Amino acid sequence: EAQVTQNPRYLITVTGKKLTVTCSQNMNHEYMSWYRQDPGLGLRQIYYSMNVEVTDKGDVPEGYKVSRKEKRNFPLILESPSPNQTSLYFCASSLRLGRGRSHEQYFGPGTRLTVT
Amino acid sequence: AQTVTQSQPEMSVQEAETVTLSCTYDTSENNYYLFWYKQPPSRQMILVIRQEAYKQQNATENRFSVNFQKAAKSFSLKISDSQLGDTAMYFCAFMNNAGNNRKLIWGLGTSLAVNP
Repeated sequence: EAQVTQNPRYLITVTGKKLTVTCSQNMNHEYMSWYRQDPGLGLRQIYYSMNVEVTDKGDVPEGYKVSRKEKRNFPLILESPSPNQTSLYFCASSLRLGRGRSHEQYFGPGTRLTVT
Repeated sequence: AQTVTQSQPEMSVQEAETVTLSCTYDTSENNYYLFWYKQPPSRQMILVIRQEAYKQQNATENRFSVNFQKAAKSFSLKISDSQLGDTAMYFCAFMNNAGNNRKLIWGLGTSLAVNP
């Protein structure tokens, strides 16, 4: 089954304790992206990756890091989490843009993060 | 910069009736995609329907159809024969078909309640 998986699904942590949210897709997609969803602000892109070892900032990258060592995985790293990073996080993947290619993005189930 | 506006924060409809959700967007681009996503209480983000801007024909997917008015920059979603399982948040999203980033720009959503 084609899918994007995220782990953990729920996490409560304390300020300053490094954490990683994993994202994995089994569709051989080149493009992967992270969003955060906040009430009143909607979904905003954090980082994206066009392919292995190619990553770039989205609209709200401060406080986050990513890596893309393998095509299927795109972990989101919070080196020193703060309460303003409490949010619902989504990972998404798709084929890269190209003539005749599907432009649908597949989303993971979301990770609810609370930083106290 | 592109923006997406959903002017109806909440709507309700009786089961089996038809409801239309509004979405307007602002862009200077000519080549783009528009999407409607559904987010049920499980928080999973589910693609409902998509529209390529270069296609004049409105997209349909079973009970879901859109009214795409490119000149007016309007992209409304019509749900026919509403079902209880349609209760969810609905998000309108825009994606520019230029550049490498497949970033989705989101509206703030419409909360739809289908009443028995």
